[in-house]
Amino acid sequence: QVQLQESGPGLVKSSETLSLTCSVSGDSVSDYSWSWIRQPAGKGLEWIGRAHSGGFTNYNPSLKSRATLSVDASKNEFSLRLTSVTAADTAVYYCTKARGGTGHNGWKDNYYGMYVWGHGTTVTVSS
Amino acid sequence: DIQLTQSPSFLSTFVGDRVTVTCRASQGIFNSVAWYQQKPGKAPNLLIYAASAVQGGVPSRFSGSGSGTEFTLTITSLQPEDVAIYYCQQYNEYPLTFGGGTKVEIK
Repeated sequence: QVQLQESGPGLVKSSETLSLTCSVSGDSVSDYSWSWIRQPAGKGLEWIGRAHSGGFTNYNPSLKSRATLSVDASKNEFSLRLTSVTAADTAVYYCTKARGGTGHNGWKDNYYGMYVWGHGTTVTVSS
Repeated sequence: DIQLTQSPSFLSTFVGDRVTVTCRASQGIFNSVAWYQQKPGKAPNLLIYAASAVQGGVPSRFSGSGSGTEFTLTITSLQPEDVAIYYCQQYNEYPLTFGGGTKVEIK
């Protein structure tokens, strides 16, 4: 059974860089799409970006190029770096696994949905 | 970006009732929609993908339908354990986006 575990500092100072890691157990990071999702307290879900072991990445433009995702197959983990953080980046951060497939309009990286989620890690940005 | 609008944002009804949540997309997205259930203090859980395919292990009272710009999540007989917030998500194009959520409570 696949399990994802987020790790990283719970507290980051404003203007600094947030680094989070998602450790994958029970499966290989190869050949799947790995995303980071965040959720401010009491609010909805925001997709941050997605990485594939083949080196492909996609990002949410709302983050204005502050996010970098990467997959490390040798450690079976993937990571998120978010630079120049502010209080608006305070949230619970989730890592997720998705699998691609072919639907009505061709190949979709997340066709089967985000079917595995980590428990989430709370990040607070302090001034 | 594709905007997803969920309605209602909140609903309160009785155990055994049929519940319908709607998700409207700002442009056509074929059937590239997933639905998630999030219980308090927990990570979201995938219910439906490809608009109508039920994820393994999800109770049969959950179903999804729709294509193009309008999608529906249905709970045929609401159970106490279904109290949660439900989110739709589109994956037809990047950036992936979520609806604002529908909070379901029991009267």
